[in-house]
Amino acid sequence: EPEVTQTPSHQVTQMGQEVILRCVPISNHLYFYWYRQILGQKVEFLVSFYNNEISEKSEIFDDQFSVERPDGSNFTLKIRSTKLEDSAMYFCASSQDRGMGSNQPQHFGDGTRLSIL
Amino acid sequence: SQQGEEDPQALSIQEGENATMNCSYKTSINNLQWYRQNSGRGLVHLILIRSNEREKHSGRLRVTLDTSKKSSSLLITASRAADTASYFCATDRQAGTALIFGKGTTLSVSS
Repeated sequence: EPEVTQTPSHQVTQMGQEVILRCVPISNHLYFYWYRQILGQKVEFLVSFYNNEISEKSEIFDDQFSVERPDGSNFTLKIRSTKLEDSAMYFCASSQDRGMGSNQPQHFGDGTRLSIL
Repeated sequence: SQQGEEDPQALSIQEGENATMNCSYKTSINNLQWYRQNSGRGLVHLILIRSNEREKHSGRLRVTLDTSKKSSSLLITASRAADTASYFCATDRQAGTALIFGKGTTLSVSS
């Protein structure tokens, strides 16, 4: 069964450094998402991406964050200058286009654990 | 916000027993979905129920949705040790939009 893959599984970065988290969504999916989960807390939406642009973003997704689909398969989340509070598990997800039926679930990767020192 | 909130926060049962988890939300929704998360792993999609559906089954899972009460329940029948995980409900207002997650129920099934 196709799945969303994320790399790396664990990233340790010094505060203030830039970090790029990578995701390969399911190949026939056209909606892409990033979520994060701070340890012990609920999963929070960051951003959704469709047709090469951001379709929705949350308050968390400030100017320090950016997303990109550099080629036909990868979807990346960049944090420009990391802060201690950015430490969390970051999940990528993808879903099919609405044209395939309006009730397609979002499929999640296993996440990248980001630790800011 | 339209956050889903689950209860109980934690549930401990014996293998073979049924586990029921509840979820409440605040605003109108398009779909409600249930996910499972094993410790340190990603979210596995379990079942999706549309706002115009009242009940749905998938294997040992049964989900109900009451839009008048803005609540849903997930029933796992004949539980197994492998069902030990955290379970989350998530709602969206239309396809392709943000999922809003609850805090989850941690289920422990002992053999």
